[in-house]
Amino acid sequence: GQSLEQPSEVTAVEGAIVQINCTYQTSGFYGLSWYQQHDGGAPTFLSYNALDGLEETGRFSSFLSRSDSYGYLLLQELQMKDSASYFCAVRDRGGSYIPTFGRGTSLIVHP
Amino acid sequence: NAGVTQTPKFQVLKTGQSMTLQCAQDMNHNSMYWYRQDPGMGLRLIYYSASEGTTDKGEVPNGYNVSRLNKREFSLRLESAAPSQTSVYFCASSLDRGRYEQFFGPGTRLTVL
Repeated sequence: GQSLEQPSEVTAVEGAIVQINCTYQTSGFYGLSWYQQHDGGAPTFLSYNALDGLEETGRFSSFLSRSDSYGYLLLQELQMKDSASYFCAVRDRGGSYIPTFGRGTSLIVHP
Repeated sequence: NAGVTQTPKFQVLKTGQSMTLQCAQDMNHNSMYWYRQDPGMGLRLIYYSASEGTTDKGEVPNGYNVSRLNKREFSLRLESAAPSQTSVYFCASSLDRGRYEQFFGPGTRLTVL
């Protein structure tokens, strides 16, 4: 099976940069996704990494190191609206390529 | 283009009652999924349908059944609801099982008393 670890909560101030880490264990790694979920809302897709390195999408970037079984989501120029939960999800060949989600990190952005 | 829609948005059941949660997508996606989300937990897969006509169990299938009615619709049935099934249920779809981006519906908040 798969397992993922991410911090339960991260706090930061508006305008700052924050990094949310995710470590995983899986037997046949295929890719790592990140989703954002606001309170009471549905998860929405942010990014995906299948290869090592950094993927940038606007203020958000996602990094993967397959040798370390580790990834992170980097949020720059934080805004109040970035307060949400962030989930990493790993896909592997043994799980029929369907993502297994971590427990989520609650990001609280203070003014 | 509504994306993924779910009905109902909220539901309260008594222990032992049955109900069906409905999900539909208008993106012509082949694969559809049912997840449950409990406080402090991530999304846990209940069942999925990789393509029309197929369904498979996920991580937590006990107490649930599913039907892939057609390409657009995927329903989740609780035959005899239990308090442990109190949760938020999300339906999702993707172009196919191999695509990494999933699109989620707004969720159904279910309470079983």
